[in-house]
Amino acid sequence: DVKVTQSSRYLVKRTGEKVFLECVQDMDHENMFWYRQDPGLGLRLIYFSYDVKMKEKGDIPEGYSVSREKKERFSLILESASTNQTSMYLCASSTTGVPQPQHFGDGTRLSIL
Amino acid sequence: AQSVTQLDSQVPVFEEAPVELRCNYSSSVSVYLFWYVQYPNQGLQLLLKYLSGSTLVKGINGFEAEFNKSQTSFHLRKPSVHISDTAEYFCAVRGNQGGKLIFGQGTELSVKP
Repeated sequence: DVKVTQSSRYLVKRTGEKVFLECVQDMDHENMFWYRQDPGLGLRLIYFSYDVKMKEKGDIPEGYSVSREKKERFSLILESASTNQTSMYLCASSTTGVPQPQHFGDGTRLSIL
Repeated sequence: AQSVTQLDSQVPVFEEAPVELRCNYSSSVSVYLFWYVQYPNQGLQLLLKYLSGSTLVKGINGFEAEFNKSQTSFHLRKPSVHISDTAEYFCAVRGNQGGKLIFGQGTELSVKP
């Protein structure tokens, strides 16, 4: 089974802090994704990556950046956290070829105080 | 632009009753559709997918969905629900770029005894 592991289930940070959310997958998937999930809004794509050192903006990239130095790891960075970034963050991975489902981690519930 | 609309934000139903969760999509490319389930405090888990072939797709936990091209719909059904089916359900369509998915807003299914 594919395993997508997010480093923290719950995280509390302060406004202005630099925040790192880590995601690791163990199935050698090429594609990795970061979403945020808010009630009534579903999942919104922040950034995605199709290969090492490659990144593409999603629908809501403002205030975020990402890093993919190794194939299995995809990091989401909040450069200067703000209260409106309080949310559930979900990481996913998938392989290429015929459209394949994305496999999700359990999520990180981030609170910015 | 591609989009997914889940027509009901909340669906309450009694145990052992049938249920239908509605999903409509718009897509200008070949259609690949997915249903995911999210149990409380967990990530998303794939229920079923439509890539091609038979328009009736069977998934895990007794769920099935029917792809209707003329009505641009992909409704999820289960003939008899259990308490354990209480969760949030997301419909998704493949985006224009590779593995990117566009998600609906989600439907909360609440099964009551």
